[in-house]
Amino acid sequence: DAKTTQPTSMDCAEGRAANLPCNHSTISGNEYVYWYRQIHSQGPQYIIHGLKNNETNEMASLIITEDRKSSTLILPHATLRDTAVYYCIVRVGDYGQNFVFGPGTRLSVLP
Amino acid sequence: DTGVSQDPRHKITKRGQNVTFRCDPISEHNRLYWYRQTLGQGPEFLTYFQNEAQLEKSRLLSDRFSAERPKGSFSTLEIQRTEQGDSAMYLCASSSQGPNQPQHFGDGTRLSIL
Repeated sequence: DAKTTQPTSMDCAEGRAANLPCNHSTISGNEYVYWYRQIHSQGPQYIIHGLKNNETNEMASLIITEDRKSSTLILPHATLRDTAVYYCIVRVGDYGQNFVFGPGTRLSVLP
Repeated sequence: DTGVSQDPRHKITKRGQNVTFRCDPISEHNRLYWYRQTLGQGPEFLTYFQNEAQLEKSRLLSDRFSAERPKGSFSTLEIQRTEQGDSAMYLCASSSQGPNQPQHFGDGTRLSIL
């Protein structure tokens, strides 16, 4: 699976959009981009995933560049409860393979 | 909507003791995964089941570790002769079969070895 690179930490003001970048320059054509987040003392929570089209759900939007070498997770109106570690993972979407988690981005939403 | 359930949430034991953790996946999910997470790190894969078959094991899963999923529903992870280095959060996840299905995680069992 392709390796991902994320900033170690980011701050965001409450109520503003949080834009979390992820680089995956070695991604292959059949690898999906997944985003999870982990709030202290809880398990990782699935947010969203996509292959090449932009995706949106009730939690967030995922913007994948046309060359698929990077993506951005957007939390449109960050709240204090969005403070967490955010993981970007790329994985071939077949056969139930495990996820390989990196260190992620620690997002702090500030009042 | 019941998510992935893990029991116990916390376990404290003395070095050398055996421990067993249980995971109940989302009911219609036939894939089940175990991960381990140490402080400040992302989760690391341990093993994967499809129904009752254990299809993949990480090199992290030493011979002191054994996982089972006897009826393709709940799973157990046993650690024998625990060591200090086994202190970690043990996470279980499940997913349905099919391409690109996301895994859904439980809140883990935190193991502390005295």
